[in-house]
Amino acid sequence: KQEVTQIPAALSVPEGENLVLNCSFTDSAIYNLQWFRQDPGKGLTSLLLIQSSQREQTSGRLNASLDKSSGRSTLYIAASQPGDSATYLCAVRLMNRDDKIIFGKGTRLHILP
Amino acid sequence: DAGVTQSPTHLIKTRGQQVTLRCSPKSGHDTVSWYQQALGQGPQFIFQYYEEEERQRGNFPDRFSGHQFPNYSSELNVNALLLGDSALYLCASKQGGETQYFGPGTRLLVL
Repeated sequence: KQEVTQIPAALSVPEGENLVLNCSFTDSAIYNLQWFRQDPGKGLTSLLLIQSSQREQTSGRLNASLDKSSGRSTLYIAASQPGDSATYLCAVRLMNRDDKIIFGKGTRLHILP
Repeated sequence: DAGVTQSPTHLIKTRGQQVTLRCSPKSGHDTVSWYQQALGQGPQFIFQYYEEEERQRGNFPDRFSGHQFPNYSSELNVNALLLGDSALYLCASKQGGETQYFGPGTRLLVL
């Protein structure tokens, strides 16, 4: 059974710092991995999607990496800003006909002004 | 181009009641999935609809049922509500093998 774990559960860093959020999954047979942002009480905004054949994806100040063999992904945020404060969710889509997405519990990020 | 829309935004019900949540997919999308997100947890897959049929189902009891209409919109019905059904219910839509787009969710509170 695929399980997705995100560490840490919560993180506070001063504005301007670079930071890394971690995600691990137990079954390496994934179709893709996706990072989402969720503001309090709101829906999900897709940030980056990495196909299983890719190693990383970049969008602006965000960079996500994927190491399928070790079952790990990281989301790197450069030069953090107060507007980056949100919960970041990692999710994997399984490598089969199943279309389900398995989510981690998220990391609550607070950027201190 | 409107994205995924959900209604209502908030809902308060009492134990034992029934509730219906609605979702309109992004234009051009034909597949709708529903997720339940309890407070402090990641979303959990409830079921997926395609061509008006339930195609997959997660580990949720039969109290959770759904429907998809010919225009691809979808409803999630929950019967005999329990306190533990209080959550944010998210709808996601896609077309074929493309990535899913999520709606803003409906927050359900069961008292």
